Amino acid sequence: AQSVTQLGSHVSVSEGALVLLRCNYSSSVPPYLFWYVQYPNQGLQLLLKYTSAATLVKGINGFEAEFKKSETSFHLTKPSAHMSDAAEYFCAVSGTGGFKTIFGAGTRLFVKA
Amino acid sequence: DTAVSQTPKYLVTQMGNDKSIKCEQNLGHDTMYWYKQDSKKFLKIMFSYNNKELIINETVPNRFSPKSPDKAHLNLHINSLELGDSAVYFCASSQAGLAANGELFFGEGSRLTVL
Repeated sequence: AQSVTQLGSHVSVSEGALVLLRCNYSSSVPPYLFWYVQYPNQGLQLLLKYTSAATLVKGINGFEAEFKKSETSFHLTKPSAHMSDAAEYFCAVSGTGGFKTIFGAGTRLFVKA
Repeated sequence: DTAVSQTPKYLVTQMGNDKSIKCEQNLGHDTMYWYKQDSKKFLKIMFSYNNKELIINETVPNRFSPKSPDKAHLNLHINSLELGDSAVYFCASSQAGLAANGELFFGEGSRLTVL
């Protein structure tokens, strides 16, 4: 069975500050891990994915995430927040074959001017 | 060209009515899904079809009936709508097979409001 826990339903940062969104997973098989972003009234779009290649994954809009097997974590970071980063962020996990992707509860990112 | 498109985008209806949401993908994917997003933004998988065959049915009430006429289309029909069905329904697609990693491509969502 697989599950995802996102720590913090809301995170608030100032513009220009570091963004850190936390995600821990549980999986009985080697996982594939994802971060998706959802802007208001839109669908989800992929930010980045880990598929067992490099453990540090770079995505769009300056985001990156590091897969740490020993900590079962896949935290999302961005060095400098921009107002346009304000959105809902979802961590997700799937297994081989990819038929069933499980999502975390989401973290709403607020960016203050 | 929109990769995953669903219609309608908004749906407002009375309790007890029946409604349908349609979804089409032009990505050539073998697998399509319906996800439900509640008012707290929680996303839960409802159904998954692979090459027109149902492969995941996540304890969804049988008032919900998905239909896949071909692998590019997955429709969702809901009978006897209830207040608790109010949500945003997302269609998604992905590649399938052992090499697949589960990356999902989402539609824009269909916001259903039951009065």
